[in-house]
Amino acid sequence: DGGITQSPKYLFRKEGQNVTLSCEQNLNHDAMYWYRQDPGQGLRLIYYSQIVNDFQKGDIAEGYSVSREKKESFPLTVTSAQKNPTAFYLCASSMAGELFFGEGSRLTVL
Amino acid sequence: SQQGEEDPQALSIQEGENATMNCSYKTSINNLQWYRQNSGRGLVHLILIRSNEREKHSGRLRVTLDTSKKSSSLLITASRAADTASYFCATDALAYKYIFGTGTRLKVLA
Repeated sequence: DGGITQSPKYLFRKEGQNVTLSCEQNLNHDAMYWYRQDPGQGLRLIYYSQIVNDFQKGDIAEGYSVSREKKESFPLTVTSAQKNPTAFYLCASSMAGELFFGEGSRLTVL
Repeated sequence: SQQGEEDPQALSIQEGENATMNCSYKTSINNLQWYRQNSGRGLVHLILIRSNEREKHSGRLRVTLDTSKKSSSLLITASRAADTASYFCATDALAYKYIFGTGTRLKVLA
């Protein structure tokens, strides 16, 4: 089945540790995105990539890093510089303006 | 920064009633989209309306767009308990950069 796969679904980490969230798509989409969602809130754009080996900062990129070495993959690293990393992270890809989302990764920092 | 603001923030209606939610945005757009999110899940695309369109229908959904007022509305007719979810609008202020609103939480009571 075609779609976006995010892993892990739940992740617990201690303060000060970097964590990497995986996002893989088999839809052959060029563009991919990472959003952060806090409880009861909307989505805020962290990073997006229009094409392989290229990405741009969104509105809240500080404390995050990404790579886009393959069309199918757009991993997000939450670094220790991110002051409040506990959140729900959503990955998406797009075709013809429509975004397709994964099921999300919930990160809790203890 | 949030591009869109949905109104109301929360809406509770009886099954069979219509639900209307509104979205206002700040800058010129190419298109506006509506998404649905069930609790703890990823977002699902509902409908896309282009800046040169004024109204669009899809099943029980009707979307309007008023670019002069920078606003859109989503109408769900004959609502069902299964429509209970959060609804978000998203705009593309820049190519490939999709910004989401704050969302409307809809509860449909059986």
